[in-house]
Amino acid sequence: NAGVTQTPKFRILKIGQSMTLQCTQDMNHNYMYWYRQDPGMGLKLIYYSVGAGITDKGEVPNGYNVSRSTTEDFPLRLELAAPSQTSVYFCASSYSQGADEKLFFGSGTQLSVL
Amino acid sequence: GQNIDQPTEMTATEGAIVQINCTYQTSGFNGLFWYQQHAGEAPTFLSYNVLDGLEEKGRFSSFLSRSKGYSYLLLKELQMKDSASYLCAASNYGQNFVFGPGTRLSVLP
Repeated sequence: NAGVTQTPKFRILKIGQSMTLQCTQDMNHNYMYWYRQDPGMGLKLIYYSVGAGITDKGEVPNGYNVSRSTTEDFPLRLELAAPSQTSVYFCASSYSQGADEKLFFGSGTQLSVL
Repeated sequence: GQNIDQPTEMTATEGAIVQINCTYQTSGFNGLFWYQQHAGEAPTFLSYNVLDGLEEKGRFSSFLSRSKGYSYLLLKELQMKDSASYLCAASNYGQNFVFGPGTRLSVLP
């Protein structure tokens, strides 16, 4: 039972480079999310999706893009990487947004932009 | 606005009881969640409260007062493996989760 799978686990980028963080879940969850976590800070929502073909901005979307072509996959694209995007990124999913609907997280991607 | 506050760090002794507090101010509040996050790992679900009162799950209990915008996580019979960060998160209608900064708990022998 894989759950939420993220790749890569670590990545170093140079300023201005681009990359895609991959996220896939095998739980048939409708809702998927991308969060970033800076040291000593809470998780900040970047983008989320309520189903295939539907995405929406979260709290900190600038510098990122997402797509949701299938229920399983929700990749996060970084264009023109900047040092401010150095962070740990977590993909998460949930079945719905009900009051008791918990998030399942991937193992995270540690990204450094130098 | 939306704001969640928790203490940054706490220290307790193995076998003791510790209470981690969380206050929140959010619009469209739906429920309150607690997650545990060990260093270098992803958060994992611990508990949630929708109604006022105490929810008990083994050594862990969580309390919610909606009128006061207040929750706490109670950890009993502390073990070394309980050393982790504990994230308080408010669930909002249609707006997903708002996370607090997390409380780093150190359990000492």
